[in-house]
Amino acid sequence: DTGVSQNPRHKITKRGQNVTFRCDPISEHNRLYWYRQTLGQGPEFLTYFQNEAQLEKSRLLSDRFSAERPKGSFSTLEIQRTEQGDSAMYLCASSSRKGSQYFGPGTRLTVL
Amino acid sequence: RKEVEQDPGPFNVPEGATVAFNCTYSNSASQSFFWYRQDCRKEPKLLMSVYSSGNEDGRFTAQLNRASQYISLLIRDSKLSDSATYLCVVNPPPNSGGSNYKLTFGKGTLLTVNP
Repeated sequence: DTGVSQNPRHKITKRGQNVTFRCDPISEHNRLYWYRQTLGQGPEFLTYFQNEAQLEKSRLLSDRFSAERPKGSFSTLEIQRTEQGDSAMYLCASSSRKGSQYFGPGTRLTVL
Repeated sequence: RKEVEQDPGPFNVPEGATVAFNCTYSNSASQSFFWYRQDCRKEPKLLMSVYSSGNEDGRFTAQLNRASQYISLLIRDSKLSDSATYLCVVNPPPNSGGSNYKLTFGKGTLLTVNP
């Protein structure tokens, strides 16, 4: 499968714990995006990378959230000191410079 | 006013029906427009881009009215497999120094096609 992949697919954690998610984009795509989706809402933009450079961050991305794309390939999204309000589906997407965004299957986070 | 607003739905239609989805966006400088489809507990998938002149892909027709800041999607001869949430998506103008590919999604409209 050459689509966007995300791991893990599901994560259950206790409040206050740190979690890290991984996204592997489509190999020839240099742009990578993170979105968050809660029940009954559309996805909301979190952050965007072009190659290894993080070019934009939403105000939704508090200082507990950090994203990296160290070699311009896969990306990680870390949430520190998780809160119940962080429970959501975290979606990764990738695109070429002018292309459409293709989404991965998401990581569903549940914070107890 | 929300950036992207859609019909709240849900829509329940019989097979073979024609169904229309409507969407408005707030930023008149928005650059590109899409309809995505999302099945239950799955990721959004691009259904079609929306062009100023209107465009058609089989049973699906999308239209854009920039003056009214209005986007529509028409599904003709609906199938059971069309049951999904339809997301109206807008690519707003770039922020200074930022990207112009940040997608803004509506809340989506759930469609159920019944046999």
